[in-house]
Amino acid sequence: AQSVAQPEDQVNVAEGNPLTVKCTYSVSGNPYLFWYVQYPNRGLQFLLKYITGDNLVKGSYGFEAEFNKSQTSFHLKKPSALVSDSALYFCAVRDRGNAGNMLTFGGGTRLMVKP
Amino acid sequence: DTAVSQTPKYLVTQMGNDKSIKCEQNLGHDTMYWYKQDSKKFLKIMFSYNNKELIINETVPNRFSPKSPDKAHLNLHINSLELGDSAVYFCASSQGGGVSLMGQYFGPGTRLTVL
Repeated sequence: AQSVAQPEDQVNVAEGNPLTVKCTYSVSGNPYLFWYVQYPNRGLQFLLKYITGDNLVKGSYGFEAEFNKSQTSFHLKKPSALVSDSALYFCAVRDRGNAGNMLTFGGGTRLMVKP
Repeated sequence: DTAVSQTPKYLVTQMGNDKSIKCEQNLGHDTMYWYKQDSKKFLKIMFSYNNKELIINETVPNRFSPKSPDKAHLNLHINSLELGDSAVYFCASSQGGGVSLMGQYFGPGTRLTVL
C-alpha cells in the first residue's frame, strides 16, 4: 500500500519570503515522488519528481524538493515566493513495485502568497 | 496543441442517468488514467489502462467503466448516476509502465454535477 500526507491545508507566506510545503509518504518499497500544481479551474501541472540519485530535485518555476528517506519526506521549497505561485499543490507517490503506474495523491495544500 | 483534452468541460445531469466523458491525448502515450477530485480537492485514482491491461482501484463502483476505442482515447462511462458522483474528473496519460520523464500529463478536467 502507498499513501501520502500533506499536514497543512494552507500555507501563507509573504512575497519574497521562502516557502515550504510539507509532504510525507508511506510505501512498502522504494518510492517515486512527485509534486503537481493546480491553478483554479485547471488540470494538474507537473512540477518535479524524484526517481533516484541526488536527493535535491529542481523543477519548474524555481521550485525544488528534497527527498529524505529517513524521515520519509519530500518537502517542496522555493527560496523566494511570488504572488503567482498561489495555487493548490499536490504531492504524489508511487511505489516502484506498483503495477499500472498509479499515483496516490496527498490531500493538497493551498499556498497563498501575499504581496 | 492540447496534449490531453476532455469533453465536455461541464456536465449537469439527473440522478439515474447514464453519461460519458471523453478523453483524448495526442502525446503518443500508451497509458491513460482517470482520477476523481471531490469537493474537498482529494484526488483519487480510478483506473489505469494501457493496451495490455486495465487496473481498477478496488473502491470504484462497477457503475464506472473505462472504454478505449484506440490508444489515444480513454472514455469514462458512468451508469445510474448518483449524487455522490458529483466531482471533477481528470484524465491523464503517461508513457510506459515505468515513470515517464514528466510524470503524468493531466487534462483540464470535467466538472460533473448530478442533481
